[in-house]
Amino acid sequence: AQSVTQPDIHITVSEGASLELRCNYSYGATPYLFWYVQSPGQGLQLLLKYFSGDTLVQGIKGFEAEFKRSQSSFNLRKPSVHWSDAAEYFCAVGAGILNNDMRFGAGTRLTVKP
Amino acid sequence: DAGVTQSPTHLIKTRGQHVTLRCSPISGHKSVSWYQQVLGQGPQFIFQYYEKEERGRGNFPDRFSARQFPNYSSELNVNALLLGDSALYLCASSPPGSTDTQYFGPGTRLTVL
Repeated sequence: AQSVTQPDIHITVSEGASLELRCNYSYGATPYLFWYVQSPGQGLQLLLKYFSGDTLVQGIKGFEAEFKRSQSSFNLRKPSVHWSDAAEYFCAVGAGILNNDMRFGAGTRLTVKP
Repeated sequence: DAGVTQSPTHLIKTRGQHVTLRCSPISGHKSVSWYQQVLGQGPQFIFQYYEKEERGRGNFPDRFSARQFPNYSSELNVNALLLGDSALYLCASSPPGSTDTQYFGPGTRLTVL
């Protein structure tokens, strides 16, 4: 079965600094990869997704992620962080088009310093 | 357009009781999935329904059950509640032809005392 590891439990960056959140996946076939963001007490909002094609995908709110098959990674990046980006970020991997067993990582909590 | 809605927002139950959580998908979406998110962890997949048929089930005990109605809304039922069932229960819906992408509701916070 597929699985996801987010190595960083908590990251703190200064406002305006660049951000990279790490995600490593395990899946035997071509994965369906997602990044979601969750603000306190809220549901999850989809930032971006990757199924195939260009390995650099653009998402909402200025986020992008790069799929690297050789490293089994799908890291999330943002060139300049805003205070409103403080939240919990989840990487997820789906098993095919039905996506009927999506697996999430444990999440990375992002704190933004003024 | 309205997003995925869930009710109730919060719920407090005692051990051994039964609970029913409700979810209304985005209009036009026919697939609904349920997830359990324990505090400090990522969501865990419980069920997926499509066109009223169960299409996937996660590693949860038989105390957990769900169904989908003709209007594509869904209920998650949990019997014989345990303290460990305390969590945020998330519902997500997917549009036809794009079942790989899920849109999440705000969740129901269940506390079991």
